[in-house]
Formats: sequence, C-alpha cells, structure tokens
Amino acid sequence: GENVEQHPSTLSVQEGDSAVIKCTYSDSASNYFPWYKQELGKRPQLIIDIRSNVGEKKDQRIAVTLNKTAKHFSLHITETQPEDSAVYFCAALLNDYKLSFGAGTTVTVRA
Amino acid sequence: DVKVTQSSRYLVKRTGEKVFLECVQDMDHENMFWYRQDPGLGLRLIYFSYDVKMKEKGDIPEGYSVSREKKERFSLILESASTNQTSMYLCASSLYRNNNSPLHFGNGTRLTVT
Repeated sequence: GENVEQHPSTLSVQEGDSAVIKCTYSDSASNYFPWYKQELGKRPQLIIDIRSNVGEKKDQRIAVTLNKTAKHFSLHITETQPEDSAVYFCAALLNDYKLSFGAGTTVTVRA
Repeated sequence: DVKVTQSSRYLVKRTGEKVFLECVQDMDHENMFWYRQDPGLGLRLIYFSYDVKMKEKGDIPEGYSVSREKKERFSLILESASTNQTSMYLCASSLYRNNNSPLHFGNGTRLTVT
C-alpha cells in the first residue's frame, strides 16, 4: 500500500511568518494529494488539494506544490495567524479509494 | 452542508465486550470509511465501503468488522474489544465512487476499553 511520511511533527512559528510542511509518498501511481486541517477537538476538514497533473495550487494564504519525480508535496502557509494553529495532515490517494494519511504536523502560531 | 453523524462522542467499554460504532451521512454519498486516529500515527484506514453491502479492508482491519445495510449508514463492530483498541474513531464519507472527491468527517468517537 501507499506509505506517506510527513515532516516536521511539530512546528512553531511567529505570527506573520510562513510555515512549510513536507510529505513524501512511496507509490508513483498516486494521483491525488489533499491536505486536511484539524483544530483542537474538531473534525478534520479539507483545506486544499492537488492532482498529479498540476504542479502548484494556491488559495489565498495557502499553497501546495507537487514534485512527481521526487514523489513529494508540500503545504505552504504565508502570513500565519493564530487561527492557523491546528494539526495538519497530508494524504495520498492510490487506486481511487484508499487515502493514506501522514502522521500529522501540529502547528502553533505564537502571537 | 454535508453532515456525518457518529452516534456517540465518548464510549467506555470493558475488555471482551462487543462494541458497535454507528455512522450516518445525509448527502447520499457512495463511499464511507472508518479511520482510527492515534497520536503520532495519523489517521489509519480500518475499512471502507463503496456501495451498500460492499466492504473492503483498509490497512488495519484486524479485530474489526463493518456493516453497510443502507447507503446512509456504516457501522464499525469490535467483536471482542481489547485495550489496544482504545482510540479515536472517525467516520467519513465521500461523494463519488471513482473520483477524487473530498472526505467529510464526523466528529469522532473516543473509545476507551478498560
């Protein structure tokens, strides 16, 4: 099956700075890479996704990049705000159904 | 807005008990999933279903079974609960059968097995 590794496991940034989370996957056939945000005590929610035919996607302060050759993808959050504090999960889809998740990154934005 | 409802927020059961976790979605989604979430391990797929009465094993199906008798309902069953099944259980659904549609999660059931 797909194996997704996510780094770092924790990330502390000053408000206004950028945050970057990186993930690698093992199966080159994976074709869909979503990112989920889970605030404390709440359910994970999709914040952005990217498909294998695209190299970069941006939505306001968040962006995702994909390098298919190296099999890694990254989440970039610019101008971080306190409400960005959460656990972020990357994931990779293999064979249409099985979404494999990374272990998660706990992001803390310091005021 | 899609609503995925899990029947219990917190559950405490004894070792050896049979445990049912229920999940209902109200948006006619084809796919339904059960994940468990543990610190440092992320979300791991237990079972999923892409149609009524259909089920597929995920990455960690041992000790679990599932039932999908109706499209909107997906049940996770622990035949004989063990302490290593203490975890947060998340149900999710997605719209399309053969497409990359977003997962919609329930609020989770925190199960403690003593």
